[in-house]
Amino acid sequence: SQQGEEDPQALSIQEGENATMNCSYKTSINNLQWYRQNSGRGLVHLILIRSNEREKHSGRLRVTLDTSKKSSSLLITASRAADTASYFCAPGNTDKLIFGTGTRLQVFP
Amino acid sequence: NAGVTQTPKFQVLKTGQSMTLQCAQDMNHEYMSWYRQDPGMGLRLIHYSVGAGITDQGEVPNGYNVSRSTTEDFPLRLLSAAPSQTSVYFCASASARGHTDTQYFGPGTRLTVL
Repeated sequence: SQQGEEDPQALSIQEGENATMNCSYKTSINNLQWYRQNSGRGLVHLILIRSNEREKHSGRLRVTLDTSKKSSSLLITASRAADTASYFCAPGNTDKLIFGTGTRLQVFP
Repeated sequence: NAGVTQTPKFQVLKTGQSMTLQCAQDMNHEYMSWYRQDPGMGLRLIHYSVGAGITDQGEVPNGYNVSRSTTEDFPLRLLSAAPSQTSVYFCASASARGHTDTQYFGPGTRLTVL
């Protein structure tokens, strides 16, 4: 299984600060995706980075991928209270896409 | 488009009862899957399907059955509910590339087995 493992498990910051979450995985991948889950809701896709990409941006999100270290990071810049959610990485290949346990981000106003 | 819809939103069962969780998507996606989410466990893949008539097991398939008679629907059946199946169940769909493509999730079904 290429299950992603997110770190830290929980993160608390103030509005305006940056939040960084990390993901490690075990096997080769085609791509790696990040998802957000607000409390009591389904997961929402944030960004997908392919195995031949090193960095990708989407609005306030910046994702990096280091296939040699089998790791990825998600950076949320200038965080807002609305960013409070759980964030999951999902390494994927042609076999399966399996999610980790997530990072719970709390952004205080 | 409604996206991925799930019914019911909440369900309480007694041990031994059976039921079907419904999932439908209107995006003409070939790939559909079922996950369960338990506190501290993250999402675990139960079953998935890469197209009508094709299903396969995921990480935790025991106690669940699926079928895929149409592209749109992917129901999950609990044959004999057990308290260990108390969880939140999510259905997801993706395009033909399946596992490596963006997953679209439904709102979830919260199941309690007494």
